[in-house]
Amino acid sequence: ETGVTQSPTHLIKTRGQQVTLRCSSQSGHNTVSWYQQALGQGPQFIFQYYREEENGRGNFPPRFSGLQFPNYSSELNVNALELDDSALYLCASSPHPVGPTYEQYFGPGTRLTVT
Amino acid sequence: DQQVKQNSPSLSVQEGRISILNCDYTNSMFDYFLWYKKYPAEGPTFLISISSIKDKNEDGRFTVFLNKSAKHLSLHIVPSQPGDSAVYFCAASVNTDKLIFGTGTRLQVFP
Repeated sequence: ETGVTQSPTHLIKTRGQQVTLRCSSQSGHNTVSWYQQALGQGPQFIFQYYREEENGRGNFPPRFSGLQFPNYSSELNVNALELDDSALYLCASSPHPVGPTYEQYFGPGTRLTVT
Repeated sequence: DQQVKQNSPSLSVQEGRISILNCDYTNSMFDYFLWYKKYPAEGPTFLISISSIKDKNEDGRFTVFLNKSAKHLSLHIVPSQPGDSAVYFCAASVNTDKLIFGTGTRLQVFP
């Protein structure tokens, strides 16, 4: 069973640029969620995708967008990067309907630094 | 508006003793609560969860207690081991798998 993988591991971008982060879900999981974890904070829900459509969104502006592909892999795109976007971005996959423990399986994250 | 709060940023416990991590929440609609553990450079790993219809769930050395009237849950680790040293996150959900996390508690277990 393959776990959740994310790429790249680290990324440095300049303010105003655009970035794409990638996630490969755990085998058999058709739902993917993205979280932003700022330094010293807990993960914050950005949005979730199910069957290639957005299935819920947190308090993030439209410049944060996503895609889910038929193989359940996913992308997070952030336009017009701001310094405050510097964070660890976590992808999590889960089955649908949710499992009995509501568990999500997290990848190792992508560390984004905006300068 | 922090709906899930972990007021202790750190906790230090001797090996073999009990570790108690606390979490408070404000949204009475939460129906599922989870604890995750996170090591540096890794994603959060699921530990244990509890439904709002229960007040206790146990899995080996880990027990989660839920007090709905106080909107409080706690994670007990007995006995604590050095490998338990990590950041622990409390998370909650409302009839869904979209999780709202607390800010985390760093647990250090020393010999």
